[in-house]
Amino acid sequence: RKEVEQDPGPFNVPEGATVAFNCTYSNSASQSFFWYRQDCRKEPKLLMSVYSSGNEDGRFTAQLNRASQYISLLIRDSKLSDSATYLCVVIRGGGADGLTFGKGTHLIIQP
Amino acid sequence: NAGVTQTPKFQVLKTGQSMTLQCAQDMNHNSMYWYRQDPGMGLRLIYYSASEGTTDKGEVPNGYNVSRLNKREFSLRLESAAPSQTSVYFCASHLGGYQPQHFGDGTRLSIL
Repeated sequence: RKEVEQDPGPFNVPEGATVAFNCTYSNSASQSFFWYRQDCRKEPKLLMSVYSSGNEDGRFTAQLNRASQYISLLIRDSKLSDSATYLCVVIRGGGADGLTFGKGTHLIIQP
Repeated sequence: NAGVTQTPKFQVLKTGQSMTLQCAQDMNHNSMYWYRQDPGMGLRLIYYSASEGTTDKGEVPNGYNVSRLNKREFSLRLESAAPSQTSVYFCASHLGGYQPQHFGDGTRLSIL
């Protein structure tokens, strides 16, 4: 099993809809989780951290399920500008080599 | 507030040429990383530096060398460029611990 796995998509979603996708991780010792957004041929940018109790930032909600070892990202009232690739990042330890990126989920919001 | 700065932004090389990609961060981060990303693919780690004076191989180190010149700067060198090294290269820095990484805006490298 890969350390961090994401459904590559693409997810094709009509504007205004709600969309959610998950990221599973294999190492139960993982401690820290993030979602990044990457636009085509641009650098990944931090979207939000994922906290144990779940957290929300505007239309975006991130959740962590430690028992099933996955994190999720939910986008409500999706906008055309939400079209991007969403990468999850899992940090299993404090060392520089303890950080792993998923390969990303491609989201296309359709008008 | 520059963050992570990469130079150059674009470069075209001929097979066999050498070049160095530069990366500097002004956030006083301890760790720095070099990734490559091919079209439609995820990030692949080339090398990383956990702290000044140390470097380690990542997933795809062959054909590359790195130097952690000081805490701010981490360079990536292609000694003899090959067409398979055509890619977008991202540098990232990391304070350490459980903090997120921060990325530069990339170097788009084409090798003919």
